[in-house]
Amino acid sequence: QSVLTQPPSASGTPGQRVTISCSGSSSNIGSNTVNWYQQLPGTAPKLLIYSNNQRPSGVPDRFSGSKSGTSASLAISGLQSEDEADYYCAAWDDSLNGHVVFGGGTKLTVL
Amino acid sequence: EVQLVQSGAEVKKPGESLKISCKGSGYSFTSYWIGWVRQMPGKGLEWMGIIYPGDSDTRYSPSFQGQVTISADKSISTAYLQWSSLKASDTAMYYCARPAVPYCGGDCSLVYWGQGTLVTVSS
Repeated sequence: QSVLTQPPSASGTPGQRVTISCSGSSSNIGSNTVNWYQQLPGTAPKLLIYSNNQRPSGVPDRFSGSKSGTSASLAISGLQSEDEADYYCAAWDDSLNGHVVFGGGTKLTVL
Repeated sequence: EVQLVQSGAEVKKPGESLKISCKGSGYSFTSYWIGWVRQMPGKGLEWMGIIYPGDSDTRYSPSFQGQVTISADKSISTAYLQWSSLKASDTAMYYCARPAVPYCGGDCSLVYWGQGTLVTVSS
């Protein structure tokens, strides 16, 4: 059971807009920033969004993030076949020693 | 160019010990935290813990405290993840990762990742 809650799957057709939600609590999303990672099959995760809504260099502006209270979401517009991947949200959790918590991941299928 | 290069795949038997490595290059190894992430077959990412090579300050996820040991040798810019007695349930891909900023807390965005080390534990 992951600390952050994501839907296990999402899907869309090419060109559509898809959103993936991530729900947490006051000790993680509620008090710290949210990051999103994309993991293509057989590869290491890649940072997609940091500090709630910032894109690292090279990430297309089709990807956007937002946060409100103890929830966050990732939006992908103009869906492309190469976006088919697993997406994970993550945040720092202030409980105990402080540690990173991940969502369970959302498998995005491009139909 | 920042790089994290991990040691190769391992096949071990239950009860055996193991130490895998993650060598950093292209940056000041002692100035950035390095974390370890587990991914069991077909499953999601799990945070294991993090170490600051500058002084070996180590923080473990509650789920992994006492189960593994994280260490670092700053003289060779290498972080380690170690088991004293492997179980079949330790079979997984293990990634090391470095945050964008030196300190990992509040915002711990992992921008650099190793290629992963696959550990298989089977009798």
